[in-house]
Amino acid sequence: AQSVTQLDSHVSVSEGTPVLLRCNYSSSYSPSLFWYVQHPNKGLQLLLKYTSAATLVKGINGFEAEFKKSETSFHLTKPSAHMSDAAEYFCVVSSDSNYQLIWGAGTKLIIKP
Amino acid sequence: KAGVTQTPRYLIKTRGQQVTLSCSPISGHRSVSWYQQTPGQGLQFLFEYFSETQRNKGNFPGRFSGRQFSNSRSEMNVSTLELGDSALYLCASSSGLEGHTQYFGPGTRLTVL
Repeated sequence: AQSVTQLDSHVSVSEGTPVLLRCNYSSSYSPSLFWYVQHPNKGLQLLLKYTSAATLVKGINGFEAEFKKSETSFHLTKPSAHMSDAAEYFCVVSSDSNYQLIWGAGTKLIIKP
Repeated sequence: KAGVTQTPRYLIKTRGQQVTLSCSPISGHRSVSWYQQTPGQGLQFLFEYFSETQRNKGNFPGRFSGRQFSNSRSEMNVSTLELGDSALYLCASSSGLEGHTQYFGPGTRLTVL
């Protein structure tokens, strides 16, 4: 069965420094992988999606994620954090059996001025 | 294209009452998924409807039910409300195909007093 683990519940970085949000997944086939973002008191927004076309996926707002099959990871990065990046980020993997999406527990990104 | 709309945006009910929430998906989308989000439990999957049929179901009691109409609009109903049902209820729309991207509405904030 598929699963997804976000390795950090909270990540705190200073404005202007790099961001790394870690995600490991398990899947018996090549899944679709997603990152979603939720700003405070807002709905969920798609950041980026991996569908096997390219291992490095570029998303909105300067974020990108790299699919590493050998490490079963799909970490989210951004070179320079901005205050507006403060939000909760969810890593998601598609199920191979029932069209469902399997959600990670979320990582809260805190940006220090 | 218009996005996913949810009505109402805010709702206050008392224990024992019932409530109906509505979701209109993106035009052409046949799948609607419902999620409950609370600070303690995070994002939890309720159920998914595809072409008017419930295709997937999460682990929620029978008090939570839903349906989908021929125009893909969906409603979810919660009967005999409990204090613990206070949450943000999110609706997501997709094509329903494998690896599909889900697009979220702004949510309905339900408060049970």
